Amino acid sequence: QVQLVQSGAEVRKPGASVKVSCKASGYIFTSYYMHWVRQAPGQGLEWMGRVNPTGGSTSYAQRFQGRVTMTRDTSTSTVYMELSSLTSEDTAVYYCTRSIGVTGDYFDFWGQGTLVTVSS
Amino acid sequence: DIQMTQSPSSLSASVGDRVTITCRASQSIARSLNWYQQKPGKAPKLLVYGASSLQSGVSSRFSGSGSGTDFTLTISSLQPEDFATYYCQQSSSPLPWTFGQGTKVEIK
Repeated sequence: QVQLVQSGAEVRKPGASVKVSCKASGYIFTSYYMHWVRQAPGQGLEWMGRVNPTGGSTSYAQRFQGRVTMTRDTSTSTVYMELSSLTSEDTAVYYCTRSIGVTGDYFDFWGQGTLVTVSS
Repeated sequence: DIQMTQSPSSLSASVGDRVTITCRASQSIARSLNWYQQKPGKAPKLLVYGASSLQSGVSSRFSGSGSGTDFTLTISSLQPEDFATYYCQQSSSPLPWTFGQGTKVEIK
């Protein structure tokens, strides 16, 4: 069965960086794009970007450009999302989710979420 | 970026009620519209994709319709497990994909 298992909760100070992992299993890793979506406390869902596991190419939401890096390791079927220059506004649950990668696409499986808390 | 606007932001309904949630896109997205259900502390769950296709394993009391800029999610007979927050999401080209702000369905 398809599973996306994320790393555990993190606490960081303002200005620091955080790296969250998402290990995929139960399907062909390189057949699906992996996206990152975040949700601040009590707020809605925000798409951050995606990585193509086949070649590693990325697309990021403009508001995160220069601050986010998404990578993948095909040997372990794991994707990573690193966010730098953290502020309190980055406190959120971060989800990885997969899609096939075409127009009209959808997120059919999600990780369990990783809470990142930014606090001095 | 394409803006997605859901209405209402919240609603109160009783078990057995028919519930309709609407989602409007700021420009045409054809049928590239998906619906998700989220319960507190859980990841979102895909309900409907491509505006009207029911995801495998999802109850047939959920249905979606629409195209272009206007879409609806209907729950034909609300059940206790349906109390949750619902999000629409567009997957038109080009990126970024965007979500509506959510509709919280509460018990009346």
